[in-house]
Amino acid sequence: QVQLVQSGAEVKKPGASVKISCKASGYTFTSYYIHWLRQAPGQGLEWMGIFERTDIGTPYAQKFQGRITMSRDTSTTTVYMELSSLRSEDTAVYYCAREDTRGYFDYWGQGTLVTVSS
Amino acid sequence: IQLTQSPSSLSASVGDRVTITCRASQGISSFLAWYQQKPGKAPKLLIYAASTLQSGVPSRFSGSGSGTDFTLTISSLQPEDFATYYCQQLNSYPLITFGPGTKVDVK
Repeated sequence: QVQLVQSGAEVKKPGASVKISCKASGYTFTSYYIHWLRQAPGQGLEWMGIFERTDIGTPYAQKFQGRITMSRDTSTTTVYMELSSLRSEDTAVYYCAREDTRGYFDYWGQGTLVTVSS
Repeated sequence: IQLTQSPSSLSASVGDRVTITCRASQGISSFLAWYQQKPGKAPKLLIYAASTLQSGVPSRFSGSGSGTDFTLTISSLQPEDFATYYCQQLNSYPLITFGPGTKVDVK
């Protein structure tokens, strides 16, 4: 069955970077795009970016451009998202989600809590 | 594209018919989905393309609308349906946006 398993919770200081992994299984890894989203405590869902769409312009939300990097290791079917220059407002649960053939998110990771605190 | 949802929260009882609306700041055709999220869990896709039920989702859930106005209806609320519901548009793909959510809790 399709699974997306994310890395564990992180605590970071302001100005640091965090790199979260999302290991996919149960489907053909290279046939689907992975998106990253986040949810601040008590807040709604915020789309961050997509890996990897270079054919449609900027794959990241404007507010994260310059701070976000996405990568992939095909050998381990893992996608990574790194966010740099962390600030307290980046405290959130980060999710990876698979985009299905219709463009919607049919499978999600369990979420990774990132806490940014001095 | 901005999405608004109403109400922001509602209280209901098991067996009630529940309706949640989502309005887009501009026309998005039928490029709209509804997700359910329970505390501490990832969202779950319920409805896509405004009115198509995702596989495995109970038929008491239904969606309608196109353009700027959309509705999610739960025909007979069940105990497992108490959750927060989000609409999502992908008309401006990949610049996807979500509504602020509607929390459904116990009356």
